[in-house]
Amino acid sequence: NAGVMQNPRHLVRRRGQEARLRCSPMKGHSHVYWYRQLPEEGLKFMVYLQKENIIDESGMPKERFSAEFPKEGPSILRIQQVVRGDSAAYFCASSSGTGALAYEQYFGPGTRLTVT
Amino acid sequence: QKEVEQDPGPLSVPEGAIVSLNCTYSNSAFQYFMWYRQYSRKGPELLMYTYSSGNKEDGRFTAQVDKSSKYISLFIRDSQPSDSATYLCAMEVESSASKIIFGSGTRLSIRP
Repeated sequence: NAGVMQNPRHLVRRRGQEARLRCSPMKGHSHVYWYRQLPEEGLKFMVYLQKENIIDESGMPKERFSAEFPKEGPSILRIQQVVRGDSAAYFCASSSGTGALAYEQYFGPGTRLTVT
Repeated sequence: QKEVEQDPGPLSVPEGAIVSLNCTYSNSAFQYFMWYRQYSRKGPELLMYTYSSGNKEDGRFTAQVDKSSKYISLFIRDSQPSDSATYLCAMEVESSASKIIFGSGTRLSIRP
């Protein structure tokens, strides 16, 4: 299956701990997007990355949140000193950036973060 | 006012009915319009992707965009229980990898 992969699928953290969410894009895709979904709400854009570059982080909180997409390996969304309000489903999407379907985004299954 | 408004439902219809799902938006710069289907505890799945105004058909699904009214629709013909899911409209200003703005989603249930 060459789809977008995310792990872990479920993550429980205590307040103050760090959460690391990983995303492996579809094969051949070099653009990654992170979204957050609160219960009964739509997805909210957080950050858009290409390999080794952050293109748009306008949706990401300025404190405690960071994202990277290194030359090798998955994209990582890092949340430091988690608080209860960070509990949500975090989805990663990827696109190829080339060709007729260059910017169609395909989503992974999400990571459900619970902060206790 | 939210950039994209979508009735959260839930919407319940009998199997075989025609379903109409709608979104309105306020940003006239949106040019690309999408519908995603999301099953419970799964990631969204892209159903339809359209540019500017007009209709696009794919099997039992038809997407309509009316930019003059800032209104988009998704029609599902011959609805099936397997169509039961949350449907999210989404749009973006440019297709050049800009961020997508999502509606909050409509929960749809098809009764057998």
